[in-house]
Amino acid sequence: EADIYQTPRYLVIGTGKKITLECSQTMGHDKMYWYQQDPGMELHLIHYSYGVNSTEKGDLSSESTVSRIRTEHFPLTLESARPSHTSQYLCASSEHREAGNTIYFGEGSWLTVV
Amino acid sequence: QKEVEQDPGPLSVPEGAIVSLNCTYSNSAFQYFMWYRQYSRKGPELLMYTYSSGNKEDGRFTAQVDKSSKYISLFIRDSQPSDSATYLCAGGAGGTSYGKLTFGQGTILTVHP
Repeated sequence: EADIYQTPRYLVIGTGKKITLECSQTMGHDKMYWYQQDPGMELHLIHYSYGVNSTEKGDLSSESTVSRIRTEHFPLTLESARPSHTSQYLCASSEHREAGNTIYFGEGSWLTVV
Repeated sequence: QKEVEQDPGPLSVPEGAIVSLNCTYSNSAFQYFMWYRQYSRKGPELLMYTYSSGNKEDGRFTAQVDKSSKYISLFIRDSQPSDSATYLCAGGAGGTSYGKLTFGQGTILTVHP
């Protein structure tokens, strides 16, 4: 079972508010990821990190930002939320080596911007 | 063209049936493939991980990869109502791209008693 935790699970906020979605993993994984999933649609990678102080943007453009100050923590921030940011955000992690590894997902954070 | 195309479904089968879920992919750089199961309002749960062409079996689940035709499948034997979920296939390249998965749109499966 994956030890990756996301908070909050559900959040409804007003337009223009700043929010931070938290993600923590206790597996010591070097690599962490944020995926975005709209209802009924594919997951798309929006951010990833290969280690502390390493962050890159994913394939899907996102107005969110991330930071990786500690190995276990990979928060995502929206400075000014808009209704178009309404979606499910999924955090994931994996070990650095390739063979036989799995990519674990958290339970997700459902964000609704009104 | 999407890099990973998944049969959209939805699928509805009786309990005990054999289920076949299928995906095709176009990115020749994909080296490994994963199948995830996702229940409503939950994160994806890894079911199968395959790194080469051929079959891989785990309990009632069999993953099949044919890299020559860029086709991947998941078979579920003796399907149960608890298997009702959305199934996601994903492909990924190796090297520095490891972990950057490309997902299909998912197939909704319902197994009715």
